[in-house]
Amino acid sequence: DAGVIQSPRHEVTEMGQEVTLRCKPISGHDYLFWYRQTMMRGLELLIYFNNNVPIDDSGMPEDRFSAKMPNASFSTLKIQPSEPRDSAVYFCASKVGRDYIYNEQFFGPGTRLTVL
Amino acid sequence: AQSVAQPEDQVNVAEGNPLTVKCTYSVSGNPYLFWYVQYPNRGLQFLLKYITGDNLVKGSYGFEAEFNKSQTSFHLKKPSALVSDSALYFCAVRGRGNTPLVFGKGTRLSVIA
Repeated sequence: DAGVIQSPRHEVTEMGQEVTLRCKPISGHDYLFWYRQTMMRGLELLIYFNNNVPIDDSGMPEDRFSAKMPNASFSTLKIQPSEPRDSAVYFCASKVGRDYIYNEQFFGPGTRLTVL
Repeated sequence: AQSVAQPEDQVNVAEGNPLTVKCTYSVSGNPYLFWYVQYPNRGLQFLLKYITGDNLVKGSYGFEAEFNKSQTSFHLKKPSALVSDSALYFCAVRGRGNTPLVFGKGTRLSVIA
């Protein structure tokens, strides 16, 4: 299994530009999570989906952030417009929840976003 | 609300010595506890979990963790540290239902040769 796939691995953009981060979860996983990691705030849960439906987006910092999951094998996190304070590493994670709710989450390698 | 505390930002230990990375939790109901490790420029990797049963849980790379209900702790341990164990370690907890994990802020472990 290829694991959780994220793209791009690195993104450098200028303030005001739109940024789209992509995630392909592990096949068969029915939960998908988006996290943000910074030195100051640690690992923060932004939003998570179950069966492609957003369940809790209370961690999304502002309306500039949006996430979609059009099908079971793809999700996007979009920031528009981007700001320097959005610079962070963004992780996607997935897990199987339908058969055993105590399964661990599997993380992707992350996307390092730098907004200049 | 569930929460996790990792009281140490940094732990230093000499290679070959035992190591402990501390974690305490707060959750209503039975806790489900996890440890993850993050190597530089990588995503988090699952190490071990406690769901029920034996309080001593064994995981990957020789790590183990002890669940202590009275002290609400789930400390990560290894009898003999390796330089390659140097990484960022996260404790996480989940309460009842199929809710997401809540992560601690992480503890940076440095193993010195």
